[in-house]
Amino acid sequence: SQTIHQWPATLVQPVGSPLSLECTVEGTSNPNLYWYRQAAGRGLQLLFYSVGIGQISSEVPQNLSASRPQDRQFILSSKKLLLSDSGFYLCAWSVMGGELFFGEGSRLTVL
Amino acid sequence: TQLLEQSPQFLSIQEGENLTVYCNSSSVFSSLQWYRQEPGEGPVLLVTVVTGGEVKKLKRLTFQFGDARKDSSLHITAAQPGDTGLYLCAGAFPPGAGNNRKLIWGLGTSLAVNP
Repeated sequence: SQTIHQWPATLVQPVGSPLSLECTVEGTSNPNLYWYRQAAGRGLQLLFYSVGIGQISSEVPQNLSASRPQDRQFILSSKKLLLSDSGFYLCAWSVMGGELFFGEGSRLTVL
Repeated sequence: TQLLEQSPQFLSIQEGENLTVYCNSSSVFSSLQWYRQEPGEGPVLLVTVVTGGEVKKLKRLTFQFGDARKDSSLHITAAQPGDTGLYLCAGAFPPGAGNNRKLIWGLGTSLAVNP
């Protein structure tokens, strides 16, 4: 069966510090991978998606970047965090752009 | 800008009551998905509706896709405290786009079922 894990689950970072959130998927090949941000328990904002290794599409201009160094690994990064980067980050995968399967989420607080 | 409007935004009811959540758009979707999310966790897929007019049942939950594939509803019968959570709808748009089609998300309905 397929599984998805993201970490860390919670982190508190000072403004200006770097960020790295990691997500891995098991049990499937060549998945579509996504990073979403969710504010205040409401709707999801798509940040990045990838249809293959090294292929990243950015949905909104921001202080963040994403990379896909391996087929089932997706990384969300920032060189210098801003207060506005605080939020709940979700990694997800799908097959052929269909139904999404989400990770457990990462709660980021920037102070 | 394609929008998917959910209503109501918040709903607080007593155990045993029935409720309906709506998801509306002016756009046509190839499919529409419903997710439930509990605090601090990722959303979990409940159902996908694909055909206009389609009705799917999942225990006490009934999902309907509008005939024109622009809207959907989720009806819960005899709600229980375990139904508490954030319900999100997401439309696959544009229709027929294939592998890269993106989901358009509603803002969610926060449901609280009180014992």
